[in-house]
Amino acid sequence: AQSVTQLGSHVSVSEGALVLLRCNYSSSVPPYLFWYVQYPNQGLQLLLKYTSAATLVKGINGFEAEFKKSETSFHLTKPSAHMSDAAEYFCAVSDREQAGTALIFGKGTTLSVSS
Amino acid sequence: GAVVSQHPSRVICKSGTSVKIECRSLDFQATTMFWYRQFPKQSLMLMATSNEGSKATYEQGVEKDKFLINHASLTLSTLTVTSAHPEDSSFYICSVYQATEAFFGQGTRLTVV
Repeated sequence: AQSVTQLGSHVSVSEGALVLLRCNYSSSVPPYLFWYVQYPNQGLQLLLKYTSAATLVKGINGFEAEFKKSETSFHLTKPSAHMSDAAEYFCAVSDREQAGTALIFGKGTTLSVSS
Repeated sequence: GAVVSQHPSRVICKSGTSVKIECRSLDFQATTMFWYRQFPKQSLMLMATSNEGSKATYEQGVEKDKFLINHASLTLSTLTVTSAHPEDSSFYICSVYQATEAFFGQGTRLTVV
């Protein structure tokens, strides 16, 4: 069964600092991988996704993530944090061999940004 | 991408009453929709898969008689929380899958008092 682990339930950075949110997956076949952001009492917004081809994926709001098969990782980064980046971030996987199946989410990481 | 609309965004109900939450796929015909539940400060947990024209598939531990799902058309799925109790208070989110991407409704905050 697929699973995803987000290391660190809470990450705090200063404005302008590097953001690194960690995600590792467990799957016999490289899955589709996603990063979502959630603001309080709102739904999820897709930041970026990895489905195939390029292993370095660029998303919205300056975020990017690199798929590393050897490390079964898909860490999310942003060179310079902004106050508006403070939110909950979820890494998710889906089975590429069973298209249309539900996503499996990690526990989430709360990102705090201080001025 | 698909646009998913969920209604209501917030609802408060008395213990013992039932609440219906609607999930609409506005621009995409979805034969399958997913319902998630999210407790405060926690992740999204899949509750059930809603299938148009057939019975929903529930995840282990989810009471199908308590969380009634109806997917009568390709654009609408409803989740009814029957005989709600305070422990049912949560954030409920629906989702549709298009190509290789999932699209989410804005969520419904249910508070049972």
